[in-house]
Amino acid sequence: RKEVEQDPGPFNVPEGATVAFNCTYSNSASQSFFWYRQDCRKEPKLLMSVYSSGNEDGRFTAQLNRASQYISLLIRDSKLSDSATYLCVVPPSISGNTPLVFGKGTRLSVIA
Amino acid sequence: GAVVSQHPSWVICKSGTSVKIECRSLDFQATTMFWYRQFPKQSLMLMATSNEGSKATYEQGVEKDKFLINHASLTLSTLTVTSAHPEDSSFYICSARDWNRANYGYTFGSGTRLTVV
Repeated sequence: RKEVEQDPGPFNVPEGATVAFNCTYSNSASQSFFWYRQDCRKEPKLLMSVYSSGNEDGRFTAQLNRASQYISLLIRDSKLSDSATYLCVVPPSISGNTPLVFGKGTRLSVIA
Repeated sequence: GAVVSQHPSWVICKSGTSVKIECRSLDFQATTMFWYRQFPKQSLMLMATSNEGSKATYEQGVEKDKFLINHASLTLSTLTVTSAHPEDSSFYICSARDWNRANYGYTFGSGTRLTVV
């Protein structure tokens, strides 16, 4: 079973729309979660980290539902520049020197 | 903040030649560096983990004799694609952890787009 599962999309939304992605995770003991964004042929960049119930940063809100084992990412007032692939990542041990494991993520296209 | 500098950004080479990709940690020491590869519309796949002063650890299915990794110092890891073929054309990216940084400190190079013709 994969560590995380995401709807690959693509999600095509108009500018100004609100869009939400879900990510389910398999390990109920996971404590921390990341949302990364990756533009085409670029490195992934950390968008948000989630350590408790959720996190908010401007137009972006991440929420954690431990009972159902999913993390969501909500983007309000979508901009054209939000078009990217969004990757849900469960980091490994905070003390171990182990790599991040990425899935395919969810593709978002914001259309004018 | 932590920076990993990766060079070159892109390279085009002929089949059969070798290409070296460098990753340097500029403001922290990286005893371990992770190398990923990404084909179009696919996920970043871990190829290998390089360790300063010792042999790299390769993921299943990655040929260690083809993808030579050298991590000779605490700030430099190199990946050499030997006898490159068109199927090696991909996006290669390195990553390291800066233990002094928040959010687990994972830092990525900017990637190298390799095209083998």
